[in-house]
Amino acid sequence: GQQLNQSPQSMFIQEGEDVSMNCTSSSIFNTWLWYKQDPGEGPVLLIALYKAGELTSNGRLTAQFGITRKDSFLNISASIPSDVGIYFCAGPEYGNKLVFGAGTILRVKS
Amino acid sequence: EAGVAQSPRYKIIEKRQSVAFWCNPISGHATLYWYQQILGQGPKLLIQFQNNGVVDDSQLPKDRFSAERLKGVDSTLKIQPAKLEDSAVYLCASSSRLDAYEQYFGPGTRLTVT
Repeated sequence: GQQLNQSPQSMFIQEGEDVSMNCTSSSIFNTWLWYKQDPGEGPVLLIALYKAGELTSNGRLTAQFGITRKDSFLNISASIPSDVGIYFCAGPEYGNKLVFGAGTILRVKS
Repeated sequence: EAGVAQSPRYKIIEKRQSVAFWCNPISGHATLYWYQQILGQGPKLLIQFQNNGVVDDSQLPKDRFSAERLKGVDSTLKIQPAKLEDSAVYLCASSSRLDAYEQYFGPGTRLTVT
């Protein structure tokens, strides 16, 4: 099956800093999804992207659907302690079966 | 609107024992998914239901795992007998229709097999 590669694997940043992470695939995706998972909880959908080049914001979060359709980016501005968690990208492998990346772990120093 | 409910939240069993997990999706969501999430990895789909029918179970280890959604609402996932490598979080998710990419997850059941 398709694999999604996320980078970086983990980040340890200072509160107030901006964060950037990305997700790449060897295959073209028609949809990109970004989820956040808090410890002991299930993933929560943050942003869904449906069109190449699309830029979508959700509060301090901004995600972009790469022009090549093989990548996506997530940015968090002015990080706060509650941004801590694991961020997953996901895309439909076939039908609406989602394949997930391994995640980017975000830690914030306050 | 109530979210996806799962129980139990935690379960510890010995290898070769059986275990069952329960999921109640968001009201009105026809599509239900079971995922396995091993520590340090993203969720991996085990089985997908549309109402009470199976859409995809290609990654379900059918020699030991089974799942059902008899009335098209809540669902159970069973492992019998469990192996050490089944230790993981089992997540249930639902979506409003078969072609909806947005899936909503429950809190998961953390299974430890000793």
